[in-house]
Amino acid sequence: KAGVTQTPRYLIKTRGQQVTLSCSPISGHRSVSWYQQTPGQGLQFLFEYFSETQRNKGNFPGRFSGRQFSNSRSEMNVSTLELGDSALYLCASSRAGGDGTEAFFGQGTRLTVV
Amino acid sequence: DAKTTQPNSMESNEEEPVHLPCNHSTISGTDYIHWYRQLPSQGPEYVIHGLTSNVNNRMASLAIAEDRKSSTLILHRATLRDAAVYYCILRDGLRATSGTYKYIFGTGTRLKVLA
Repeated sequence: KAGVTQTPRYLIKTRGQQVTLSCSPISGHRSVSWYQQTPGQGLQFLFEYFSETQRNKGNFPGRFSGRQFSNSRSEMNVSTLELGDSALYLCASSRAGGDGTEAFFGQGTRLTVV
Repeated sequence: DAKTTQPNSMESNEEEPVHLPCNHSTISGTDYIHWYRQLPSQGPEYVIHGLTSNVNNRMASLAIAEDRKSSTLILHRATLRDAAVYYCILRDGLRATSGTYKYIFGTGTRLKVLA
């Protein structure tokens, strides 16, 4: 089956601009979460959506936002880009379940802010 | 959120077993222990998870201490393809039931496999 698809894979933006990243989860997965990975801070949780509702939010400024559509696809948006937003943005999808079901990650979108 | 502690790096010779330790002294009764690995330029990849009993799959084995305050990921025969950063993470099983899904990643263990 197809894995988690993130688009675009690479992106270069200028400070002050905004950007929208897309994530298509595995078919049947209703939970989508987003992570930011930088060399200095490692992997940090941004937010998580389930059935179009944001369930969890990490410690990021309000410039970072997201949404989930009825088909479980998700987008995240970063407004007023700063140089420090340069990072690998990863999306993960999973089924919801009490058995500790694993998450499947996409290959990420590499965002460079210049 | 319960935290995990792992060594920053480890080395292993190819074809030898590797034991990657993880401490999670604040684990709660509903926390599952998950292991992921991240190869260069890729997203994290699921390796294995468990709750109380030891677990085996085609990739690895997970040994969980009786008090659940530590666990060990075992790669039975390391290959060069196993060189990656390995993350030990706790996932709250109760929250998972309601659809809430959030991982707190630590710094992980960078495994180097020597040919």
